[in-house]
Amino acid sequence: GAVVSQHPSRVICKSGTSVKIECRSLDFQATTMFWYRQFPKQSLMLMATSNEGSKATYEQGVEKDKFLINHASLTLSTLTVTSAHPEDSSFYICSAGDSPYEQYFGPGTRLTVT
Amino acid sequence: QKEVEQNSGPLSVPEGAIASLNCTYSDRGSQSFFWYRQYSGKSPELIMSIYSNGDKEDGRFTAQLNKASQYVSLLIRDSQPSDSATYLCAVRGRNTGKLIFGQGTTLQVKP
Repeated sequence: GAVVSQHPSRVICKSGTSVKIECRSLDFQATTMFWYRQFPKQSLMLMATSNEGSKATYEQGVEKDKFLINHASLTLSTLTVTSAHPEDSSFYICSAGDSPYEQYFGPGTRLTVT
Repeated sequence: QKEVEQNSGPLSVPEGAIASLNCTYSDRGSQSFFWYRQYSGKSPELIMSIYSNGDKEDGRFTAQLNKASQYVSLLIRDSQPSDSATYLCAVRGRNTGKLIFGQGTTLQVKP
C-alpha cells in the first residue's frame, strides 16, 4: 500500500502557541489528503479535506481559522493548530491514497497542550 | 441513526477461534467499504476493502458485503493474541469520497 508519513510524532506545546504538523505521501502524489482527529476511546472524526492548490474543505464545526491547512504540493499537506488550548490535545492523523478508492493513514501526531 | 454503526464490544474470543465483527450503514448508495485495524496509541491500518456483494478473502481475513441488508462484516480465522485491537469499519460516502467511520469494535483474543 501507499506510504504516508507525519511529523512530528509527538509534540507538547504551551497554551496560546501554534503547532504545525506535516503530512507527506512518500511514494505517490496525492491531490487530496484528509485530516482527522481522534480523542481517547473515540473513533476518527474528519476535520477537513486538503486539496492541492486550492482551499481546504472543512467539516461542520471545525474552525478554519484555528486549524489552518496548506496543501502546497502533491506530496505535502500541513495542519497548523493556532492558539492551541488544552482542549485541542488529541491524536491528529492524516490520510491519503494513490487511487480513488483506498486511503492509507500516516502514523499520527499526538498533541499535548499544557 | 448513526451513518456507520458497530458494536463497541469488547468481543472476546479464545485463541484459534473465529472472530466475527459486524457493521451496518445507513446510506444505501454507498459503494466502497473498508476495515481498518487500530492498535492502542497507533493510527489505523487498512486490512480489507470490499466493493461488491459477497465474500472477499485475504489470508485469515474474510470481508463479507450485503448491500441489500446494508451490512458488512469481517471474519478473522484462527484468531491470535496479536489480533487484539480495535477494528474500524469505514464506508465511503456516495458523492463526497469521504470515509465515514464507525465507532470501532474492540477485539480481545485470549491465549
